[in-house]
Amino acid sequence: DGGITQSPKYLFRKEGQNVTLSCEQNLNHDAMYWYRQDPGQGLRLIYYSQIVNDFQKGDIAEGYSVSREKKESFPLTVTSAQKNPTAFYLCASSISGREQFFGPGTRLTVL
Amino acid sequence: ILNVEQSPQSLHVQEGDSTNFTCSFPSSNFYALHWYRWETAKSPEALFVMTLNGDEKKKGRISATLNTKEGYSYLYIKGSQPEDSATYLCAPPGGANSKLTFGKGITLSVRP
Repeated sequence: DGGITQSPKYLFRKEGQNVTLSCEQNLNHDAMYWYRQDPGQGLRLIYYSQIVNDFQKGDIAEGYSVSREKKESFPLTVTSAQKNPTAFYLCASSISGREQFFGPGTRLTVL
Repeated sequence: ILNVEQSPQSLHVQEGDSTNFTCSFPSSNFYALHWYRWETAKSPEALFVMTLNGDEKKKGRISATLNTKEGYSYLYIKGSQPEDSATYLCAPPGGANSKLTFGKGITLSVRP
């Protein structure tokens, strides 16, 4: 089955720790995206990548980092520099310019 | 960052009612407009990608229209059902192959 997976579903982090969220897709999509959702807000773009070994900052990139070493994978690291990391994180992929397909999401809570 | 507005913010209707939502976006440099449906405990799913002024697309009881000159799109749901309860998001990309800017969404609740 083709799809996009994220792990873990729930993640707890202590303040000051970095944590990495996984996103994998087997849809052969070139583009991948990371979004954050907070209560009362729409989806806000953190980072996106249109091709392997290249990525661009989205609207709220501060405190986050990504890599795109393989077409299938686009992990997101939430660093200790992110001041308010507790949120729901969604990963998506697409053929560039077409509709996006979303993963199930990871809920990150900072303790 | 594109200014994308959706209204109303939330809507409560009775089963069988028809309803419609508005998405407003900048009309200059228009490229496309995406609509997504996000049901609770599921992932957002694409409904429509619209590109042409005057375009109308339909999927079952849901349809959408597009006015690129004035910068708005309407989403209609005919005869709402409880399974239509979801958040409906619109998003214009900034250009070809570009990132999407999502509106805050419209949360629809359909009472049986």
